[in-house]
Amino acid sequence: DTGVSQDPRHKITKRGQNVTFRCDPISEHNRLYWYRQTLGQGPEFLTYFQNEAQLEKSRLLSDRFSAERPKGSFSTLEIQRTEQGDSAMYLCASSHSQLAGAYNEQFFGPGTRLTVL
Amino acid sequence: GESVGLHLPTLSVQEGDNSIINCAYSNSASDYFIWYKQESGKGPQFIIDIRSNMDKRQGQRVTVLLNKTVKHLSLQIAATQPGDSAVYFCAENTGTASKLTFGTGTRLQVTL
Repeated sequence: DTGVSQDPRHKITKRGQNVTFRCDPISEHNRLYWYRQTLGQGPEFLTYFQNEAQLEKSRLLSDRFSAERPKGSFSTLEIQRTEQGDSAMYLCASSHSQLAGAYNEQFFGPGTRLTVL
Repeated sequence: GESVGLHLPTLSVQEGDNSIINCAYSNSASDYFIWYKQESGKGPQFIIDIRSNMDKRQGQRVTVLLNKTVKHLSLQIAATQPGDSAVYFCAENTGTASKLTFGTGTRLQVTL
């Protein structure tokens, strides 16, 4: 499978615990995005990397959230001291800045569903 | 995009009929639009895109129409099939921006 992959697919945790999710983008894609989706709503942008540089962060990304893409390939999203309101689907997407030109055709992974008890 | 909570607008169509799903966008500076299909428990799947210098684009069984005057986007699916049942989202972007902004989803139900 050469698409975007995410791990784990499901995560159940207790409030206050830390969780980390991983995203592997399409191999030639230099841009990587994280979105959050709650039930019945469209995905909401969290943050974006071009290669290893984190170029934009949403106001939704509180201090408890941190994302990294150390080698410009896979990325991790960590949530510290989880709260029940963090329960959502966390989606990763990737694109290639040159292939897409100035336009942003993003391909999504299957997501990680987080449940905070 | 607007929040609609748990109650998505739903479009029910019979198998074989054509479907039209509508989307209003808010940012007049948006110059790129994408339709995504999302099945239960899966990530959004790219269907078709259109740039603001076009008003129509056709794919296989799908057509996207863009009306910049009223900031309206539609997705037409020809000969709708049971496998088309899903939630459909429109997303907008500006060419120089990074993030996609998603609109209100529409649930498409295909009846036999």
